[in-house]
Amino acid sequence: NAGVTQTPKFRILKIGQSMTLQCAQDMNHNYMYWYRQDPGMGLKLIYYSVGAGITDKGEVPNGYNVSRSTTEDFPLRLELAAPSQTSVYFCASSWREVKEHGYTFGSGTRLTVV
Amino acid sequence: GNSVTQMEGPVTLSEEAFLTINCTYTATGYPSLFWYVQYPGEGLQLLLKATKADDKGSNKGFEATYRKETTSFHLEKGSVQVSDSAVYFCALIRGSARQLTFGSGTQLTVLP
Repeated sequence: NAGVTQTPKFRILKIGQSMTLQCAQDMNHNYMYWYRQDPGMGLKLIYYSVGAGITDKGEVPNGYNVSRSTTEDFPLRLELAAPSQTSVYFCASSWREVKEHGYTFGSGTRLTVV
Repeated sequence: GNSVTQMEGPVTLSEEAFLTINCTYTATGYPSLFWYVQYPGEGLQLLLKATKADDKGSNKGFEATYRKETTSFHLEKGSVQVSDSAVYFCALIRGSARQLTFGSGTQLTVLP
């Protein structure tokens, strides 16, 4: 099993550019999440989804958009990149029973906005 | 609301030293508790978990006991190795909530 796959691993964007961070899971998990991790800081939830067609905002959603058209995929869209979005982005997925199983994380996308 | 407080790092130990990373939580009811580990340049991996009071989670020589009376889930290892150098995150989830609440992470460096 591949688990949670994130692409790309690294990306440099110019201010104002847009991009999509890809996330795919092959475990048939219901729930998927996007977090950002700033240097020396913990994890902040951007968006999450409890199933195809259902998304909800997390703690820091401004400047991002998501969609969930299939169970497997949960892309994160940055429309107008800003330096404040320089961060490491992690996608995670879980069974509905998060309390029993916790999350499975991807390996991350390191994004730099210049 | 729910919250997790971890001891501030960084923590630096010599190989074979005893490790404790403190984690306390605030939550009503009986949350599930987790420890995740993040090795340099990688994503977070589930290290161990406990889903009810007095449970002990264990993995790779690490242990943590769910203490309801002290609202704690401290991570311990009897003899650390250089390969244990990583950032460790404590997390909780309560009831039917859909997201984990994470602590701020504790950086551990083990010197040979």
